[in-house]
Amino acid sequence: EIVLTQSPGTLSLSPGEGATLSCRASQSISANDLAWYHQKPGQAPRLLLFGASVRATGVPHRFSGSGSGADFTLTIRRLEPEDFGLYYCQHYGDSPAWTFGQGTKVEIK
Amino acid sequence: EVQLVESGGGLVQPGGSLRLSCAAAGFAFSDYDMHWVRQVPGKGLEWVSSIGTIGDTYYPGSVKGRFTISRENAKNSLFLQMNSLRAGDTAVYYCARENYGASGYFDLWGRGTQVTVSS
Repeated sequence: EIVLTQSPGTLSLSPGEGATLSCRASQSISANDLAWYHQKPGQAPRLLLFGASVRATGVPHRFSGSGSGADFTLTIRRLEPEDFGLYYCQHYGDSPAWTFGQGTKVEIK
Repeated sequence: EVQLVESGGGLVQPGGSLRLSCAAAGFAFSDYDMHWVRQVPGKGLEWVSSIGTIGDTYYPGSVKGRFTISRENAKNSLFLQMNSLRAGDTAVYYCARENYGASGYFDLWGRGTQVTVSS
């Protein structure tokens, strides 16, 4: 079973700053099978990126994804107030099975 | 409007049962694989079950043998029968749609329903 480890646990940033979130898999995975979600308090997660780097419908261009093998990154340029919250990476693997990272909290500094 | 709406959550004693429902609207429900994902308060997300368009089902080891996912396409509805519930099953349960073509990611989520297992 693939384990996803996200870092850091918490990012304290001010609006306008950039954010870099990491998702590391326990073994090499296909970028096609890696997605990112954003969750605001009290709300359901919302799909941000799929295929590691493809923005979902309506997702602003300040969100970008990259990576390959076991290391993937979500980058947010110039944080907006609505960007704060929790971010999760997710992998779809064989078996089949769907696994999530433990999340990174982006909080207002 | 394209949406998923969960219902059926509540308080149940350990060892008890509960049946969750998810009503889909605004899209061709029968064409999509569907899932349940849960979130323990203050914790991360855990995939709980999935059902394909042809009725094939999958579960992680943590719920296999206790939970059963099903669907009724004629009523655009998804269900989760939960038996032998434990305190560790306490969570918000989300219904989620897998992207068309079973691409592995969830492009539509409901707002969730709270399940509390406690005596």
